[in-house]
Amino acid sequence: GEDVEQSLFLSVREGDSSVINCTYTDSSSTYLYWYKQEPGAGLQLLTYIFSNMDMKQDQRLTVLLNKKDKHLSLRIADTQTGDSAIYFCAESTGGFKTIFGAGTRLFVKA
Amino acid sequence: EPEVTQTPSHQVTQMGQEVILRCVPISNHLYFYWYRQILGQKVEFLVSFYNNEISEKSEIFDDQFSVERPDGSNFTLKIRSTKLEDSAMYFCASSRDRGQGYSGNTIYFGEGSWLTVV
Repeated sequence: GEDVEQSLFLSVREGDSSVINCTYTDSSSTYLYWYKQEPGAGLQLLTYIFSNMDMKQDQRLTVLLNKKDKHLSLRIADTQTGDSAIYFCAESTGGFKTIFGAGTRLFVKA
Repeated sequence: EPEVTQTPSHQVTQMGQEVILRCVPISNHLYFYWYRQILGQKVEFLVSFYNNEISEKSEIFDDQFSVERPDGSNFTLKIRSTKLEDSAMYFCASSRDRGQGYSGNTIYFGEGSWLTVV
């Protein structure tokens, strides 16, 4: 069945780059996403990538997709304390359902 | 920016009681969803709703659950007889078009309703 796995915690120093990794199982995944959840807030879509792309860059965010290995990563350049949050990897085949991972909690140390 | 709003933000209920979680989707959206996240676990899809009927549901969404759009603005999730394992954060979401990413479609999530069953 469909599954998305990601590590639960990541700790970085302010100013460093953060890399959050994710693996998924559904080879028919068409869209892959990164969501951010700040304390007390909902899920905020950060960025998404189509499965026919290898990379997408959006300001400090870089998404890399290795479709062969079913591996997705999110790189945050110059990480700030305001980036501390839970980051969810998710995938869908374009239907009604989105499959989420358990989330990676990013801690940014000043 | 338009947003999905959910009430209550937190509810504590006794096992066996009925609970209704309410959501106001973004006004021009046509597709509505409920997801849940048990503490420390993954965000799980429950149900999607379009044109006044369920379009897809997961195995979790059994007869204990129901959804309704009672008027033009609210979208509700009812849990008939709550169990301890129903304790979770419940997220409502809405989108203009079907699914996530389809033709650039985006699903917008609310802040969630924490349900604690005791």
